[in-house]
Amino acid sequence: AQKVTQAQTEISVVEKEDVTLDCVYETRDTTYYLFWYKQPPSGELVFLIRRNSFDEQNEISGRYSWNFQKSTSSFNFTITASQVVDSAVYFCALIARFGNEKLTFGTGTRLTIIP
Amino acid sequence: EADIYQTPRYLVIGTGKKITLECSQTMGHDKMYWYQQDPGMELHLIHYSYGVNSTEKGDLSSESTVSRIRTEHFPLTLESARPSHTSQYLCASSGPLAGTDTQYFGPGTRLTVL
Repeated sequence: AQKVTQAQTEISVVEKEDVTLDCVYETRDTTYYLFWYKQPPSGELVFLIRRNSFDEQNEISGRYSWNFQKSTSSFNFTITASQVVDSAVYFCALIARFGNEKLTFGTGTRLTIIP
Repeated sequence: EADIYQTPRYLVIGTGKKITLECSQTMGHDKMYWYQQDPGMELHLIHYSYGVNSTEKGDLSSESTVSRIRTEHFPLTLESARPSHTSQYLCASSGPLAGTDTQYFGPGTRLTVL
């Protein structure tokens, strides 16, 4: 069985502050993929990143960075110098390579950037 | 950039009506999915398909039905809408069949049943 936990239900920060969204996962599979999606108020789910279980290198894309640590089963997402447009619900998700290949989502973190 | 489309974007309808939510993708993906989500809440998989003429029920029981007659098209039907069906419905697709690939989502349909 797979599980994704996003313990932070809601976070509010003032614009230009850095913010980290936590994601902890559980799986018995050794091959799996982790994802982050962004859901702005308009409702669509926007894909941000995918990491496979064999690649623990951190990744940076502009103001976004991701820290993957297998030792703690975490895949945290940091936004640097936050902007109002970053306000959204962010979902972490997991899929096992040799399972039924269904995405398991966390419950999401609602991020509000205060201008 | 994902090419997956859903219509209508918004639908307000009376109880007992039959509705079909459309989902199409132009990426040639063989896998398609339907999720149900209350606003800002977690997503629940209600249907999925791994190819033409293949459909399966997801983790959340749903009174809706789906069909997959063409690769690019995965419509969802409610025979008799009820207020409990009020929700957002998100369609997604991924491919190829032999690998685990990223799911790309459509813009969603917000359904309100009065």
